[in-house]
This record gives sequence, structure tokens and C-alpha cells, in this order.
Amino acid sequence: GAGVSQTPSNKVTEKGKYVELRCDPISGHTALYWYRQSLGQGPEFLIYFQGTGAADDSGLPNDRFFAVRPEGSVSTLKIQRTERGDSAVYLCASSLKWWEKPSTQYFGPGTRLTVL
Amino acid sequence: SQQGEEDPQALSIQEGENATMNCSYKTSINNLQWYRQNSGRGLVHLILIRSNEREKHSGRLRVTLDTSKKSSSLLITASRAADTASYFCATAHDYKLSFGAGTTVTVRA
Repeated sequence: GAGVSQTPSNKVTEKGKYVELRCDPISGHTALYWYRQSLGQGPEFLIYFQGTGAADDSGLPNDRFFAVRPEGSVSTLKIQRTERGDSAVYLCASSLKWWEKPSTQYFGPGTRLTVL
Repeated sequence: SQQGEEDPQALSIQEGENATMNCSYKTSINNLQWYRQNSGRGLVHLILIRSNEREKHSGRLRVTLDTSKKSSSLLITASRAADTASYFCATAHDYKLSFGAGTTVTVRA
């Protein structure tokens, strides 16, 4: 596709529910990243995939958060037992292999998650 | 935690004026990137400057990098109403981007 796409664009859920957020990276980009952006702040790194494996998940806040990328393309961020503090915009980005050259990360439009 | 800090937090200028914002960071970097964000959604990549570069231009944008002071600046010349947005610097260490809290720029017509 032309750019990174994310679905849904908005998600409203109740405290305690499970949610899945989807990211479709740019075709041919092997690296995929998830960030979370709270109101008035810059994005914060959550997890990085190189291919199918999570190369760095150090930014995931706790074990309620999990992400997969089973075929090395589409990724799903999963949040269990959502809490009000999880409300934020979740951004996905993709890039070429970062070590081959300075690689620009291209961001999707984000999913705005609201936990009531 | 966020590595970069932008200054000022907010900036209001008249159309046609220049806008300058600064970014300071704490640790070593491979490169530094500037992004623009409209209405709190998707980030648009503006420019990347490598750690061995001191200045870079792209259209009406000029970025400087001083690694000895761990700081960067973004200059937007001849601003337009469409430049109204939040601007973020992001330091890159390997694959990881660390963003500051951003500078909100308002360009008045």
C-alpha cells in the first residue's frame, strides 16, 4: 500500500475489556514499531519487530500488553483487562532494515483508544 | 521516559515570519529526526540529520545539529498557515526513536 494503515481509527471500550489494534506496514518494510502517545506528550516506544520476531519489547508497560506479527507483515497489538490509564493514541510505524542506512520510520494515522 | 526536550513548548507567529524551535537530548545518537503532527494523529517525517552532519536543508526547513552540546534546531522560513502543527524531535539510537514532548506552532493569517 501507499502508507502505513491502522485500524480501527477510534476504539472506545470499557475498563476490563480486551482490545486488538491492527497495523498494516508499507509493503517491503521489514521493521515495524509500536508507540503510544498520551495527551500532550511525544510518542513513547513500545515494541520493535524485525521480520516476525519481537526484537525489543522493553517498552511494553506490563504483561497486559502483547504484540504479534506472525507472517512478518501485519501486526496486532493486544491489550488485556484494559485500564483507564491505557487511553492514548497508539501509533504504528514501519521502516527498512535500520542498520542498512539511516532509516526513516513512516507512521500510520494511529488508533485513538478510550477506556471508560 | 523521553530523551528529547523541545523549547519553546508553544510558539505563535504571523504568516511570513520564521519559526525556530530547539531540541536538547541526553545520550549519544546515530541521527536526529524532526516530525510534524497535525491534530494529534499521524506523524509526518520532515528531515533526518546524521550525527556527523552539522546542517541540512529541505525546502523551507533548515536543521542544525551540535553533538557537543547535544542540541538541534529546526527553522521554518516564511511560515504559512498550513505549518500550524506540533513539531517533535526524535533521537535515534539504532532502531529506537526517543521523542520529546513537542513544540506547538500556531501560524496566524
